[in-house]
Amino acid sequence: QSALTQPPSASGSPGQSVTISCTGTSSDVGGYNYVSWYQQHPGKAPKLMIYEVSKRPSGVPDRFSGSKSGNTASLTVSGLQAEDEADYYCSSYAGPSYVFGTGTKVTVL
Amino acid sequence: EVQLVESGGGLVQPGGSLRLSCAASGFTFSSYAMHWVRQAPGKGLEYVSAISSNGGSTYYANSVKGRFTISRDNSKNTLYLQMGSLRAEDMAVYYCARARIGTTYFDYWGQGTLVTVSS
Repeated sequence: QSALTQPPSASGSPGQSVTISCTGTSSDVGGYNYVSWYQQHPGKAPKLMIYEVSKRPSGVPDRFSGSKSGNTASLTVSGLQAEDEADYYCSSYAGPSYVFGTGTKVTVL
Repeated sequence: EVQLVESGGGLVQPGGSLRLSCAASGFTFSSYAMHWVRQAPGKGLEYVSAISSNGGSTYYANSVKGRFTISRDNSKNTLYLQMGSLRAEDMAVYYCARARIGTTYFDYWGQGTLVTVSS
């Protein structure tokens, strides 16, 4: 199972928006509405930010949103804040396993 | 409060073995499938293994199949990963993560335990 493709980096100024793409295949992203997104700060465990393409867990700000079109999913962070600077990973169910994205480092300028 | 606490990591020689544990608390452990995900130093996340809520079904990534064994003890609220024939490429932080039955995302993760494979 090959890793999902994400851009290595993305950046934006405070208050701006940034969108991260996550490209897979019809066997993973395109085949299921089971894409999730995780935020990881340095030295910390990943944290669930989005599940089932566009749903937000309790406690995650509504600045975070997700979508999907075909084999590509996207995470948008609106109104960037300093604490959003982190690595972001997408993940997709790929029956019966899971596959993660290559990761994107988001920098708040 | 949900807690997942990994332990058992450390330095091991190539070809050696190690058993990781993940102690769960704050939730009904037997209602969740459990997973191991690893992250090599400076690299991304890699899915390793999974076990169903009752332990009756398991999954392994090709990279560890035949060398790693996942298990759980619901009476002790603990998940295990027995690792054998360790290679340099197995060196990573190993995270345990939970997924509620019927869901396909990991809603809580442990803090990870580092496995170093070196002679």
